[in-house]
Amino acid sequence: AQSVTQLGSHVSVSEGALVLLRCNYSSSVPPYLFWYVQYPNQGLQLLLKYTSAATLVKGINGFEAEFKKSETSFHLTKPSAHMSDAAEYFCAVSVAGTASKLTFGTGTRLQVTL
Amino acid sequence: DTGVSQNPRHKITKRGQNVTFRCDPISEHNRLYWYRQTLGQGPEFLTYFQNEAQLEKSRLLSDRFSAERPKGSFSTLEIQRTEQGDSAMYLCASSPDAGELFFGEGSRLTVL
Repeated sequence: AQSVTQLGSHVSVSEGALVLLRCNYSSSVPPYLFWYVQYPNQGLQLLLKYTSAATLVKGINGFEAEFKKSETSFHLTKPSAHMSDAAEYFCAVSVAGTASKLTFGTGTRLQVTL
Repeated sequence: DTGVSQNPRHKITKRGQNVTFRCDPISEHNRLYWYRQTLGQGPEFLTYFQNEAQLEKSRLLSDRFSAERPKGSFSTLEIQRTEQGDSAMYLCASSPDAGELFFGEGSRLTVL
């Protein structure tokens, strides 16, 4: 079975600072990896996904993530945080043949301060 | 494209009552998923449909839970004899075959 671990349940950055949200995965077969964002009382919105093509994946709102097989990681970054980035971020994994069924991490709440 | 729609958005009920949630997926999507999200946790898979066929159910889906997708379009999730532990956000998502999941805004259940 596959799983993801998100390191840090809360991350606080200053506006304009680098955002780094960590995700490590475990999978016995090549994984598909995803980052989702959730704003209060809303559903999840896909930020970006890795599906075995380019290891550096660019997503919406200036976010990107790099798949590192040797480190089993898929960390999410953004060069400069905006106040509007404050939200809950979830890393998720699925594998081919599982009908896109996602296994989510426990989430990281990003706080952006002035 | 109106997105995935869920109703009701909020439901408060007393323990022991039955509740039903409805999900209307994106019209051309043949796959529909239900997830449950409790406070401070990520969403957990409950079940999914390919058209009208329910192809997988999580062990989280006890016999008090039943999901249907009778005509391969909208889906309902019913919880019978609700318990306080059922309090959660119930998320619906839809996708084309093996494609990206699009989530609705969820239905929040509070069991008193």
